[in-house]
Amino acid sequence: EIVLTQSPGTLSLSPGERATLFCRASQSVYTTYLAWYQQKPGQAPRLLIYGVSSRATGIPDRFSGSGSGTDFTLTISRLEPEDFAVYYCQQYASSPTTFGQGTKLEIK
Amino acid sequence: QVQLQESGPGLVKPSGTLSLTCAVSGASISNSNWWSWVRQPPGKGLEWIGEIYHSGSTNYNPSLKSRVTISVDESKNQFSLKLSSVTAADTAVYYCARWVSNGYYTWGQGTLVTVSS
Repeated sequence: EIVLTQSPGTLSLSPGERATLFCRASQSVYTTYLAWYQQKPGQAPRLLIYGVSSRATGIPDRFSGSGSGTDFTLTISRLEPEDFAVYYCQQYASSPTTFGQGTKLEIK
Repeated sequence: QVQLQESGPGLVKPSGTLSLTCAVSGASISNSNWWSWVRQPPGKGLEWIGEIYHSGSTNYNPSLKSRVTISVDESKNQFSLKLSSVTAADTAVYYCARWVSNGYYTWGQGTLVTVSS
């Protein structure tokens, strides 16, 4: 199975700053089948990005995704207070679908 | 608006069988979607358990395949998870979710299942 490794484990930033989160796959994700989710405490994950760079319905344009092969990035251009949460990447190119271990974005 | 709601016992004894049901509202389970189970141990990440299509076709995570059964009941618009021979390592929040083309767009609120005697 494809193992996804996210970095950093924790990212401490202030509102208004730019956040860059990374997701590296153990083998190439040959298609664009890479998604990102946001999870807040006590809540289910919420789909942010699918197909590497497409925003899900209702997701603000400050969220963007990029990458190919084994290296993918989620960028939040200007952090809002509600963006502080845990973020997971997911590959669905190869079964079983797998998730990264998560990056916690916390307020500095 | 599609909504999912998990239900089932919150406590299961070791070596027993975990049984959960996900009720679907706002959509027919017979739509062209895959219906999934995902779990999250306390303080940890997400693990895909498996999925089912309304026709009954299933896919399971190889790491759990020998212990997992996912079934669908179209008449009740719900699908179910059974996980046998549970241990403390199976303690987690269990989510049901709907896969649409490129992502899990809809999730249940999750239900904590604790394995303990």
